[in-house]
Amino acid sequence: GAGVSQTPSNKVTEKGKYVELRCDPISGHTALYWYRQSLGQGPEFLIYFQGTGAADDSGLPNDRFFAVRPEGSVSTLKIQRTERGDSAVYLCASRGGGNEQFFGPGTRLTVL
Amino acid sequence: AQKVTQAQTEISVVEKEDVTLDCVYETRDTTYYLFWYKQPPSGELVFLIRRNSFDEQNEISGRYSWNFQKSTSSFNFTITASQVVDSAVYFCALSEFDGNKLVFGAGTILRVKS
Repeated sequence: GAGVSQTPSNKVTEKGKYVELRCDPISGHTALYWYRQSLGQGPEFLIYFQGTGAADDSGLPNDRFFAVRPEGSVSTLKIQRTERGDSAVYLCASRGGGNEQFFGPGTRLTVL
Repeated sequence: AQKVTQAQTEISVVEKEDVTLDCVYETRDTTYYLFWYKQPPSGELVFLIRRNSFDEQNEISGRYSWNFQKSTSSFNFTITASQVVDSAVYFCALSEFDGNKLVFGAGTILRVKS
């Protein structure tokens, strides 16, 4: 079966632009998570969804960041007015019946 | 607040040596989960193990073993007879008992030389 997929794998944008990062979870997984990993650090939690609703968005750094999961499957992380400090790898994970999260390959975002 | 500390930034060993990666955690919860993930050069995080706070039994899976000691808030990971393919960044993580918001340590870079 397919794992978690993320698109694009790489995104280069200019400061001030808007970007969307997409995550396709493992089929049937109801919980979906977004993390951000800066160079040389561990992933940091951003937000998670249970079904269509955001169950915990306490990790979103500010109101430029927003995420949706309208049909309870695919999720999109949206970043407005990007800043150079937003450059990182954005990781998506999904979870089924167990308690382990399965991660996708990530989207490397570079803000010039 | 929860916190995970991996004090070893980088470890280098020669193939076939045993190596232990340390993980110390802080939490006020009485029930929680601990995890180890491997991040090879390709970048994708690979799940290795999950342990709940009720179960302090050590676990062995092939060359991998984990030592969970609640008394010292540690969850250490040992690779026996290391191989070059074990070279990666290893992350220890902690979550509340719902298994949702993972808190990761900074990771330990393991380099296994032939």
